[in-house]
Amino acid sequence: ETGVTQTPRHLVMGMTNKKSLKCEQHLGHNAMYWYKQSAKKPLELMFVYNFKEQTENNSVPSRFSPECPNSSHLFLHLHTLQPEDSALYLCASSLALAGGTSSYNEQFFGPGTRLTVL
Amino acid sequence: GENVEQHPSTLSVQEGDSAVIKCTYSDSASNYFPWYKQELGKRPQLIIDIRSNVGEKKDQRIAVTLNKTAKHFSLHITETQPEDSAVYFCAASPPNFGNEKLTFGTGTRLTIIP
Repeated sequence: ETGVTQTPRHLVMGMTNKKSLKCEQHLGHNAMYWYKQSAKKPLELMFVYNFKEQTENNSVPSRFSPECPNSSHLFLHLHTLQPEDSALYLCASSLALAGGTSSYNEQFFGPGTRLTVL
Repeated sequence: GENVEQHPSTLSVQEGDSAVIKCTYSDSASNYFPWYKQELGKRPQLIIDIRSNVGEKKDQRIAVTLNKTAKHFSLHITETQPEDSAVYFCAASPPNFGNEKLTFGTGTRLTIIP
């Protein structure tokens, strides 16, 4: 596999279930992101990890819990979700520079996980 | 925080004609403006970006212009082709030293009419 991969591609879960989304990047990047894409809404940034450290939590409810064990893997743990959480969840990665250097590097997106909460 | 508005939400253009999509942003500190294309059922992909020290950038049939004073930037696609049909997203980011915090617009669904 090359680029950014996500599993599963589709997920249907009940409100009481616990599930996890997985993202893996094969690009040698060190920054990873979770986005939520809902119909007729902008792509919403949820979490940012830079060198495995969480640097951004965009006021995301605690029923979404990210985990970044290393620079290549990113998880999104889901529990007690609501129907309005149904959306396409996209993972992305980029090559971030450390040490306070401003950088703007392309974010590469995965194919997304289509989540439906019943 | 940053707020990005994008217009129009839908755009239909005859093949061969030009298409223009406009975005405005609110944070004057923003200095990076990428455009992403998302084809149906596929992932967003970067097609062009511009930094605030540049007023215009061109790559073959696509170009982006930036007006920092007015806080707006536009995507121009010339000689449109059927494969240009997709949803286009603009985004803006302030300087963030190591990771990009992109704020996206709501997207423009572009349809090229053969």
